[in-house]
Amino acid sequence: LAKTTQPISMDSYEGQEVNITCSHNNIATNDYITWYQQFPSQGPRFIIQGYKTKVTNEVASLFIPADRKSSTLSLPRVSLSDTAVYYCLVGGRNKLTFGGGTRVLVKP
Amino acid sequence: ETGVTQSPTHLIKTRGQQVTLRCSSQSGHNTVSWYQQALGQGPQFIFQYYREEENGRGNFPPRFSGLQFPNYSSELNVNALELDDSALYLCASSWLAGGNTGELFFGEGSRLTVL
Repeated sequence: LAKTTQPISMDSYEGQEVNITCSHNNIATNDYITWYQQFPSQGPRFIIQGYKTKVTNEVASLFIPADRKSSTLSLPRVSLSDTAVYYCLVGGRNKLTFGGGTRVLVKP
Repeated sequence: ETGVTQSPTHLIKTRGQQVTLRCSSQSGHNTVSWYQQALGQGPQFIFQYYREEENGRGNFPPRFSGLQFPNYSSELNVNALELDDSALYLCASSWLAGGNTGELFFGEGSRLTVL
């Protein structure tokens, strides 16, 4: 299984951009990179998925360098409701590894 | 609302007992996976079922077993419970196509406490 490493926590302010980087040095060729958001007492919720380069959707962007050994989730203009734990997930068809999670606190 | 439901939401067991947790997948999904999430940690992959067959497993002992039924509901069974099995158990359903499990749709989890 791939090993993933994320910062434990980070603080931000409303309206700022938040960037969270996940390290996954032993990612396999067939693995995808996915990010999830989790609130207390809830299951994780999908944010974005990518394989290489850059992916953007209505809530976030995902940057993956050519060597794919890391990925960065970018949350533009965060609000108080974005306070949550964010997980990177690396895996493919049948092996999935979550990172330890990054606790993001958005302050007013 | 993801459409994935889990039961029970909370339960308490004692060491050595056995437990069965249940999950009802989102309609149309062909894959279900189970995760153990200890307090303050990320989810740990237990195993995945695709069309009623186990097709992937994490670093969990054989006393963790499962089933997936034709209607894509699923069970997680844990035998000989240990104190360290206390955790939130999450079920996720998805559509497996090619090499990608795709977006995982999680339930709210079953919180197991082992005394």
